[in-house]
Amino acid sequence: DTGVSQNPRHKITKRGQNVTFRCDPISEHNRLYWYRQTLGQGPEFLTYFQNEAQLEKSRLLSDRFSAERPKGSFSTLEIQRTEQGDSAMYLCASSFSETQYFGPGTRLLVL
Amino acid sequence: GQNIDQPTEMTATEGAIVQINCTYQTSGFNGLFWYQQHAGEAPTFLSYNVLDGLEEKGRFSSFLSRSKGYSYLLLKELQMKDSASYLCAVRSRSYNTDKLIFGTGTRLQVFP
Repeated sequence: DTGVSQNPRHKITKRGQNVTFRCDPISEHNRLYWYRQTLGQGPEFLTYFQNEAQLEKSRLLSDRFSAERPKGSFSTLEIQRTEQGDSAMYLCASSFSETQYFGPGTRLLVL
Repeated sequence: GQNIDQPTEMTATEGAIVQINCTYQTSGFNGLFWYQQHAGEAPTFLSYNVLDGLEEKGRFSSFLSRSKGYSYLLLKELQMKDSASYLCAVRSRSYNTDKLIFGTGTRLQVFP
């Protein structure tokens, strides 16, 4: 499988705990994106990397959220002190040109 | 501001044709995308328009008018498996940004 992969696929956590998600993009893609999607809504942009540089962060990405792409390959998204409002599907996408290809997502439930 | 509008729900019959409209008002425009998303799954790429006109790909076609801020996705010979949400998204790109701005999606139900 040469598509975008994300782990874990599902995560249940208690409020206040920290969680970390991983995204492995398509191998030749230098651009990587994180989005968040809640039920009945389209994905909302969170952050964008070109190679290892994080070029944009949405205002949706509060101080509790941090994303890294240390070697310009895989990326991690960490949420500290999770809140119930963080419950959503977290989608990763990658691209080489204009088209973004999405991974299967990590569904987070904060209890 | 950024605003992308598409109908919330549509229904159609197997074998029919359906057109899903999308209007947009965005501060930047570098292309318009349509994605298909089945429940609980990731969006999958359907089409990309950056110039005005019609792009055809099998049973699916997409149209763009930049002057009107308008696009549509046309699905022909509908099949039951086409029941899904269809997401319209505008690409916004500059030297320090590259992102998709999505509408809320149109949930299409295909009936036998």
